[in-house]
Formats: sequence, structure tokens, C-alpha cells
Amino acid sequence: AQSVTQLGSHVSVSEGALVLLRCNYSSSVPPYLFWYVQYPNQGLQLLLKYTSAATLVKGINGFEAEFKKSETSFHLTKPSAHMSDAAEYFCAVSEPQAGTALIFGKGTTLSVSS
Amino acid sequence: DADVTQTPRNRITKTGKRIMLECSQTKGHDRMYWYRQDPGLGLRLIYYSFDVKDINKGEISDGYSVSRQAQAKFSLSLESAIPNQTAFYFCATSDLGRLGYTFGSGTRLTVV
Repeated sequence: AQSVTQLGSHVSVSEGALVLLRCNYSSSVPPYLFWYVQYPNQGLQLLLKYTSAATLVKGINGFEAEFKKSETSFHLTKPSAHMSDAAEYFCAVSEPQAGTALIFGKGTTLSVSS
Repeated sequence: DADVTQTPRNRITKTGKRIMLECSQTKGHDRMYWYRQDPGLGLRLIYYSFDVKDINKGEISDGYSVSRQAQAKFSLSLESAIPNQTAFYFCATSDLGRLGYTFGSGTRLTVV
């Protein structure tokens, strides 16, 4: 079965600083990987997804993620944090044995200070 | 109108009561899912369905049941609600071919 691990339940950065949110996956087959963002009291919004095309995936709001098979990682980055980036971020993998359901990590809360 | 609609948006119920959360979609997707979100635990899969006749348990199905009334409708029931079922519940659909997932806005359920 697939799984994802998000390292760090809480990350704090200053406005303008690099954002790095870590995600490692476990998969017996080539994975399909996703990053979602959730703002307070809202639903999930897709940031980006990796579907075995380019290993560097660009998403919305200036975020990008790089698929590294050798490291089984799919870390999310943004060069310069903005106050509006404060939210909870989830990494997820598509699980073929569960009807391609998304299996989520436990989430990382990003705080941005001025 | 939203592609995936969940009702109700908020619900407070008492321990032991039966409650149904409803999900309907206009995406035309065959696959539908129910998730539960708890702080610090992310979203966990409760049930998933390939179509009306194919329903499967997910990671945390105990205490829950589902019904796929039609391709577009997938309901989650708590037969006898208990306080530790207090959580956010999300419904989702997927387009297998494009790996596109659409989530509803969620239901905040409180069991007192």
C-alpha cells in the first residue's frame, strides 16, 4: 500500500523567505503525487500534481515540487513566502488498491510572519 | 453550482443518534470517496465506491456505512453517533483517466 510522510507538522517562515515543505512517499509502483492546500475553515485546493511527466512540477500561487525517485521525495517549495500562504498543506498519493483514492499525509501547517 | 455538493455544511447531533451526510456530484465521475479529517491526522479514507454496485471499506470504516443511490449520489451514515466521530467530513470524486479529484466543501459534524 502507498503512504506519504510529511516531515514537520508545523513550519514557520518570515515573509519573503523560502518555503520548503517536505514529503516522502512509499510506493511499490510509480506513484502519482499531489499537494493540496487548505485555508482555515475551507475545503481542499489542488496546488499541483505529478503524473510521471516532468519531474519538476509547477503549480498555482508560485509553488513547485520536484519528484526525486532516488530519494522517494516530493518536496514543495516557493522562493518567497507571502502572508497569504499561511495555511495547512497536505501531500497525497493515489492508491491503486483503493480505487485510486488519495492517501494523505498528516499535514504541515505553514505560518508566515512579517 | 458546485461540482460536488455536501449537505449539511454544519451539524450538531447527540450521542446515539443516527445521522446521514449527503454528497452529490455533477462531474459525471464513477468513483466517489468519503474522508474524515481530524487535526493532526490529515484526511483518512472511510469508504470508496467504483460505481453503484461496488462499495469498499477504507482505512477507518468502523462505525460508518454508505449508500450509493445513483452514480451522482453517495451518502455516509453514522448509525449511532459517538463523540469521537466529531470531525470534518469530505466527499470527493475522481476522473481516473485524468487523475483529477474534486472535493466537496465539507461537513463539520459535532457529536455531543
